[in-house]
Amino acid sequence: AQKVTQAQTEISVVEKEDVTLDCVYETRDTTYYLFWYKQPPSGELVFLIRRNSFDEQNEISGRYSWNFQKSTSSFNFTITASQVVDSAVYFCALSEAVYGQNFVFGPGTRLSVLP
Amino acid sequence: NAGVTQTPKFRILKIGQSMTLQCTQDMNHNYMYWYRQDPGMGLKLIYYSVGAGITDKGEVPNGYNVSRSTTEDFPLRLELAAPSQTSVYFCAVNGGVDTQYFGPGTRLTVL
Repeated sequence: AQKVTQAQTEISVVEKEDVTLDCVYETRDTTYYLFWYKQPPSGELVFLIRRNSFDEQNEISGRYSWNFQKSTSSFNFTITASQVVDSAVYFCALSEAVYGQNFVFGPGTRLSVLP
Repeated sequence: NAGVTQTPKFRILKIGQSMTLQCTQDMNHNYMYWYRQDPGMGLKLIYYSVGAGITDKGEVPNGYNVSRSTTEDFPLRLELAAPSQTSVYFCAVNGGVDTQYFGPGTRLTVL
């Protein structure tokens, strides 16, 4: 069975600090897809990234970076030089189907960035 | 969230009532999804569709029904509302393998 664990329920940082959100997953499949989503206080959901299990290269997008390590079944998300606008709940998700037909979401990590 | 619209934004139902949550996309994508998000939790997949006329169950389909007669529309039907269905419902569309678009959500309360 699939499972996604986000052990950090809530994190608070001061603006400009770096912060890493942890995501650990379980799956028996060798092919799977990992996702991160952002849910700001307004409630909408924003897709951030999708990574397949065959691509372990780290990804960087502006202040965001993702570290995928199959050896530890982790897909961690780092925000560099955090800003108040980064305050949100962040969800990690796993799917064993290419289009996410059988998504499993983690419980989310609430990030508060204080000015 | 341009491209995926959901109606209504809010709704209060009495136990046993029925309703349809509407989801429409104008991006001409095949894959559409319905999720529910309970307070303080992640999303759970209710149903999904890989194209017009094709739907399948997700993780939590009980108490819901869907149909997909067109590429644009993917309505979710609650037949006999129960308090356990109090949640926020999100519709989503796959814009290719590497991106996903969500609607603004429908907040449903069943009393």
